[in-house]
Amino acid sequence: DQQVKQNSPSLSVQEGRISILNCDYTNSMFDYFLWYKKYPAEGPTFLISISSIKDKNEDGRFTVFLNKSAKHLSLHIVPSQPGDSAVYFCAASVGNAGNMLTFGGGTRLMVKP
Amino acid sequence: SAVISQKPSRDICQRGTSLTIQCQVDSQVTMMFWYRQQPGQSLTLIATANQGSEATYESGFVIDKFPISRPNLTFSTLTVSNMSPEDSSIYLCSVEEGALGGYTFGSGTRLTVV
Repeated sequence: DQQVKQNSPSLSVQEGRISILNCDYTNSMFDYFLWYKKYPAEGPTFLISISSIKDKNEDGRFTVFLNKSAKHLSLHIVPSQPGDSAVYFCAASVGNAGNMLTFGGGTRLMVKP
Repeated sequence: SAVISQKPSRDICQRGTSLTIQCQVDSQVTMMFWYRQQPGQSLTLIATANQGSEATYESGFVIDKFPISRPNLTFSTLTVSNMSPEDSSIYLCSVEEGALGGYTFGSGTRLTVV
């Protein structure tokens, strides 16, 4: 049973527009959520996180929204740039003190010039 | 999507000993990856393991310290050798399902070296 799901395996967006990547989770114990970005032949790099005490966290062009009642989070990238083309993973953990991460399957984002 | 069984889920080991972590996949996959999860939630790629060939190690990781086996398309092991407290971390395996497929991660192994 997948506890973290990214139901869209791929997403194509025009440069300058908004990219919205979605993630759903089932484990109500999760209280810390992260997004990672992965380029080919590299490991995932940490992008942004959010604690369950918040419903929004913003860092430059990247904003993560958390809807606890729906067990849903999303990553917004505005404006999208071709360099954003990568695979994006959401991950969740119970607590944030270096605890085990549970990953979604990833969404491949393609930003077209 | 693939399902990965990663064992052990946690272990406490003595300094100087070795621990072998196993990942069993329920389907055949070409590429398997081994990661170390570090403080600050960053993930560091240790090596990529392809069946039938030597694993490819990233900068800072060597085969003598982290030997990897990949005997078939559904199984891989990572050994953490001659452990020191600095090796205490969470280790993850992951598979990529085809060139445009998704990724699946193991549940992780929490290693504590004392």
